[in-house]
Amino acid sequence: NAGVTQTPKFQVLKTGQSMTLQCAQDMNHEYMSWYRQDPGMGLRLIHYSVGAGITDQGEVPNGYNVSRSTTEDFPLRLLSAAPSQTSVYFCASSYSDHSDTQYFGPGTRLTVL
Amino acid sequence: DAKTTQPNSMESNEEEPVHLPCNHSTISGTDYIHWYRQLPSQGPEYVIHGLTSNVNNRMASLAIAEDRKSSTLILHRATLRDAAVYYCILRRDSNYQLIWGAGTKLIIKP
Repeated sequence: NAGVTQTPKFQVLKTGQSMTLQCAQDMNHEYMSWYRQDPGMGLRLIHYSVGAGITDQGEVPNGYNVSRSTTEDFPLRLLSAAPSQTSVYFCASSYSDHSDTQYFGPGTRLTVL
Repeated sequence: DAKTTQPNSMESNEEEPVHLPCNHSTISGTDYIHWYRQLPSQGPEYVIHGLTSNVNNRMASLAIAEDRKSSTLILHRATLRDAAVYYCILRRDSNYQLIWGAGTKLIIKP
């Protein structure tokens, strides 16, 4: 199993540009989520999904959209990038929303100029 | 809102036990205590979790205070590969979301 994969690893955007961060898992997990991590801080939940076709907002959803058309994929879309969205983004998955263990991808480091 | 408090950093010698403390004085009765660690330039990795009783697994032990307002992650014999940021996290029973703190950076000296 590849586990949780994320692309790209690094990305630089200009203010106002849009882009999609990709996340995929091959463990047949129902629960997937996106976090952002700012320097020296813990992770903050952006959006999550408890299954295909179902998404919900986390702690910091503004400026981001998600969709879940398949069990495997959970892309995160930045609508109009802002410097405040400069961060490292992690995707995670688990068997269900109340599973004890979440599996994280390697992260995408995003810089918005 | 329930949250955790940890030291910013700790140092330990290789092959010695490490005790990483965490305070969570506002924990509710049904919040689970989770620990994850994050090695440099990697995503977080699950370590251990518990509710009330002490827990052991192949990676570590978790000691939970009787009043549940604090807990301690114990690495029995630290190696250089254990150098990471360790996060003490509360998992809300209402929506299963993880509430992350800033973590403790563990430095292992050879």
